[in-house]
This record gives sequence, structure tokens and C-alpha cells, in this order.
Amino acid sequence: KAGVTQTPRYLIKTRGQQVTLSCSPISGHRSVSWYQQTPGQGLQFLFEYFSETQRNKGNFPGRFSGRQFSNSRSEMNVSTLELGDSALYLCASSFDPTTPGTEAFFGQGTRLTVV
Amino acid sequence: EDQVTQSPEALRLQEGESSSLNCSYTVSGLRGLFWYRQDPGKGPEFLFTLYSAGEEKEKERLKATLTKKESFLHITAPKPEDSATYLCAVQALLPGTQGGSEKLVFGKGTKLTVNP
Repeated sequence: KAGVTQTPRYLIKTRGQQVTLSCSPISGHRSVSWYQQTPGQGLQFLFEYFSETQRNKGNFPGRFSGRQFSNSRSEMNVSTLELGDSALYLCASSFDPTTPGTEAFFGQGTRLTVV
Repeated sequence: EDQVTQSPEALRLQEGESSSLNCSYTVSGLRGLFWYRQDPGKGPEFLFTLYSAGEEKEKERLKATLTKKESFLHITAPKPEDSATYLCAVQALLPGTQGGSEKLVFGKGTKLTVNP
């Protein structure tokens, strides 16, 4: 059974540019969540999508957005990149997050470097 | 506000030297506590789910326990390959949401180094 796939694995962008990251969840999983991981802040929740609808959003500026397609694949977009956006962006998929204790499985992440 | 605190931040052990990692949390409506292992440059790898006080789960040299306010990850006779960052996360029910939408709140992790 394939795991969560994130592409690309590495990205280098310039300040002011925009970037799109992709996540393919485990087959059959309908929920996709995105997290930002930095050495100082750890893992922080960005947003969650379930059946193409954004159900939750973390405390990030509007430059961070996402969407989910009918096949449950998700994309995350960051516009007007800032140096502070450099981080490991992780995607997690779960079958049914409404069931207590449903585990989330993470991809390998996309390492974004803004220069 | 939901919070998760892990201690210690870093832990060095000799091979075979058992120890425990702590995860304390404050959350309204706990729906689950999770332990993950993360190796450098990789995504977190799921280890355990706990959601009832008194619950215990084991996997090889790892044992996770849960109380109403904290969880412990016990490592028995660790080996160098157990070296990693161990992350604790809680799943809380967000108020005002529909369909039980949830997110994971993570601690900063404990970086474990096991020397041969």
C-alpha cells in the first residue's frame, strides 16, 4: 500500500515568488492536513481538507492557501514568499479524523528554501 | 489554548540504558494522543495512538502510557537505531466545527541519541 506522496521534495525560491506543493494521500483516505515545521516553532497546523472542503485553518496569513481535488489529492500554495517561509512542509492523510484516535500518516515533506 | 510540552528537549543514553520521555498536555475534549518518530529530513513516522487514561501500547523496545494529564514513552534497552526525535501530539475537538473536524497539536519533541 503506497504511503503519502509529496512533490517536489526540495524547492528553492526567491522572495516574492509563489510556490505550489502537492500531496497525494494514502488510497482511500479523504482527509489531508498540512503542517509547517521549523526548528524554532516545531510542527504547526496550516489547514485541513476533507472531501474537497477546507474544514480547519491554523493561524497563518492569507498568503497560505490550499485546495483538495475530487481524488483527494491536495495542493498548497504560498504567495509572495518571505524568508521566514523557509521550512519543511508536511502533508498528513487520515481515513476518518472524526473517529477518535484515528491516526494521521505523514509524507516525507517538501523542503522549501526562500532566498 | 491547547498545549503540549515535551521533556527533556534532548536526551543522551548509552546503549542498553533504559529511560522515559514525557509529554504533558492541556486540551479540551481530548480525542487522542499520538507518538511519532522523526528522523532528520523525513516526515514523522506513526508509532502509537492512546485515548483512554490507563491505556498502554507496546512495540519492540517502546512502551507508551497515558494518564489524564500526561503520557510517557518508555524506552527499554535502547539501541543506536532508536536515535531520532520523538514527537507527541494531541487530537482535540475544535469547538464550533461541523462533523468533528480536528487538528493535531504537536510538542517540540525530544531528540534522543543512543550511543553504542
